[in-house]
Amino acid sequence: SAVISQKPSRDICQRGTSLTIQCQVDSQVTMMFWYRQQPGQSLTLIATANQGSEATYESGFVIDKFPISRPNLTFSTLTVSNMSPEDSSIYLCRGRGRGGATNEKLFFGSGTQLSVL
Amino acid sequence: LAKTTQPISMDSYEGQEVNITCSHNNIATNDYITWYQQFPSQGPRFIIQGYKTKVTNEVASLFIPADRKSSTLSLPRVSLSDTAVYYCLVSGAGSYQLTFGKGTKLSVIP
Repeated sequence: SAVISQKPSRDICQRGTSLTIQCQVDSQVTMMFWYRQQPGQSLTLIATANQGSEATYESGFVIDKFPISRPNLTFSTLTVSNMSPEDSSIYLCRGRGRGGATNEKLFFGSGTQLSVL
Repeated sequence: LAKTTQPISMDSYEGQEVNITCSHNNIATNDYITWYQQFPSQGPRFIIQGYKTKVTNEVASLFIPADRKSSTLSLPRVSLSDTAVYYCLVSGAGSYQLTFGKGTKLSVIP
């Protein structure tokens, strides 16, 4: 099965700065997704990263705050912009390969634990 | 997307079998049931997936009744390292966005 490498694994940032998180998949995936998991909470989908076009954002998330790139089928970035302490969360990427629902066992990145001071 | 309902938490002693049941009353014909395990500060890890009846792998078993409105994850002889949050998800070929419920926090006690 494919592997997703996500970095950084953790970071501590100052208020007002931005952090870019990268996900690299070792094989082509049809779709990539970005999630946020706030402390003690479940995962919330931020957006679907579309290759070669603008990401599709879920309600409550906007491109200015969470710009996403996906230049090819194996790589995507999520930027958390103008950070505040409320952005302290774990951010996760996920890839979905071909084959429909039976590929849901694929594969999450290891997560980026972000703390904003 | 089918909504899932799980117990918020469960406690178990080491060596016992643990069964976590998930309700998904509005599961669609094409939906599969997938369970993930998540340790603190890590991404979810796939455990098992099934469509109907019983599925078993080296880690767990998944029991799905004929009406598919619920499923039960069975972990044999749990150890302290099985302490984690377990998520039940339902999704099909046409619903590629996974929607996570609150999960079940399993605490294994020595």
